[in-house]
Amino acid sequence: ETGVTQTPRHLVMGMTNKKSLKCEQHLGHNAMYWYKQSAKKPLELMFVYNFKEQTENNSVPSRFSPECPNSSHLFLHLHTLQPEDSALYLCATRPSGDTQYFGPGTRLTVL
Amino acid sequence: GIQVEQSPPDLILQEGANSTLRCNFSDSVNNLQWFHQNPWGQLINLFYIPSGTKQNGRLSATTVATERYSLLYISSSQTTDSGVYFCAVDSAGGTSYGKLTFGQGTILTVHP
Repeated sequence: ETGVTQTPRHLVMGMTNKKSLKCEQHLGHNAMYWYKQSAKKPLELMFVYNFKEQTENNSVPSRFSPECPNSSHLFLHLHTLQPEDSALYLCATRPSGDTQYFGPGTRLTVL
Repeated sequence: GIQVEQSPPDLILQEGANSTLRCNFSDSVNNLQWFHQNPWGQLINLFYIPSGTKQNGRLSATTVATERYSLLYISSSQTTDSGVYFCAVDSAGGTSYGKLTFGQGTILTVHP
């Protein structure tokens, strides 16, 4: 248990659906991250937020839209996804100058 | 960008055996972390080790930053050690809020 929770844990959606992934932490960490883990590939950083401000967008397609309304919550809004977007989506948080703590992930399947 | 290479890609052990996993990186780093990913996908922090040596029970890690590599040692392996081990480096650090670059992982299987 890392103190970072993600919901839902599993999600199946069609290409025309709109859904959102949620990440929550009450650790008081300043930075929050979205990563994507596809089969047979290393984890890829998608977005970085620090003090609720987006500081990094790692060339992610616009069909993925992050939102950080407060320091405890991070969302990833999904729309018109493709089957190749099926992956494990991981949220992480980090206090200043320390290790990153990962949530359990959302396993997404796009049909 | 920075490249992170892990070896071996796969490792099969009998319970009780020892092993060494290696992580090479292509440029100077501010931080380095080792993670264990369990079969359910949860990434667990093992070590935060930009340099030097740390030990935690049966696991220990050494990072030689000047030579751009890190080693993870697992002694007296157990079946619960099975999973994927990732090395990740933070080449930015400071005010750049920790952009981790991951290696491709080592898949460890420990048989009883």
